[in-house]
Amino acid sequence: DVKVTQSSRYLVKRTGEKVFLECVQDMDHENMFWYRQDPGLGLRLIYFSYDVKMKEKGDIPEGYSVSREKKERFSLILESASTNQTSMYLCASSGGQPSYNEQFFGPGTRLTVL
Amino acid sequence: AQKITQTQPGMFVQEKEAVTLDCTYDTSDPSYGLFWYKQPSSGEMIFLIYQGSYDQQNATEGRYSLNFQKARKSANLVISASQLGDSAMYFCARTDYGGSQGNLIFGKGTKLSVKP
Repeated sequence: DVKVTQSSRYLVKRTGEKVFLECVQDMDHENMFWYRQDPGLGLRLIYFSYDVKMKEKGDIPEGYSVSREKKERFSLILESASTNQTSMYLCASSGGQPSYNEQFFGPGTRLTVL
Repeated sequence: AQKITQTQPGMFVQEKEAVTLDCTYDTSDPSYGLFWYKQPSSGEMIFLIYQGSYDQQNATEGRYSLNFQKARKSANLVISASQLGDSAMYFCARTDYGGSQGNLIFGKGTKLSVKP
């Protein structure tokens, strides 16, 4: 059974803190993605990676960075958290068969920045 | 920006009836894929159905079918015989195969509520 896991379901941080969100997939997928989801805005792509150590900016990369040191793990980093980064963060992976582009999602991390 | 439009922020349907969720898209790429995802209140995104731009037939998966009208750039999701467990957010998404590595562009979603 395919699986994407995220390190936390709920997280509360203070403004200015450095925040790490971890995502792990066990499907040997090449591609991994980080989205944030806000009411009325749908899912917006922050960053994605199509290979180890490779990364590409999505639609809203400002204030975020990512790291992919191993194929199965994709980390999202908030260098200095701000209140406007309070959101639901979803990780996804793709690159398997039969549908290469089908994305499998993790359960999400609801981050609150105070 | 090329985008996905879901014009129905919320919809109601009576249990056991069929419902259509609208989705239109904008792309200049001749090769693309269309996806529908379901997101229950628990938050996980669940893949429902996929349609490739060159597929000759409309996709079907159990109670889900995709009404694909390529010329109109429309990919509506039809749910037959609605069940209470179908109450959720539904997102339409598109990927362009001529572009980057399969990242999806999502619509803003439709919240479906099934009434008993």
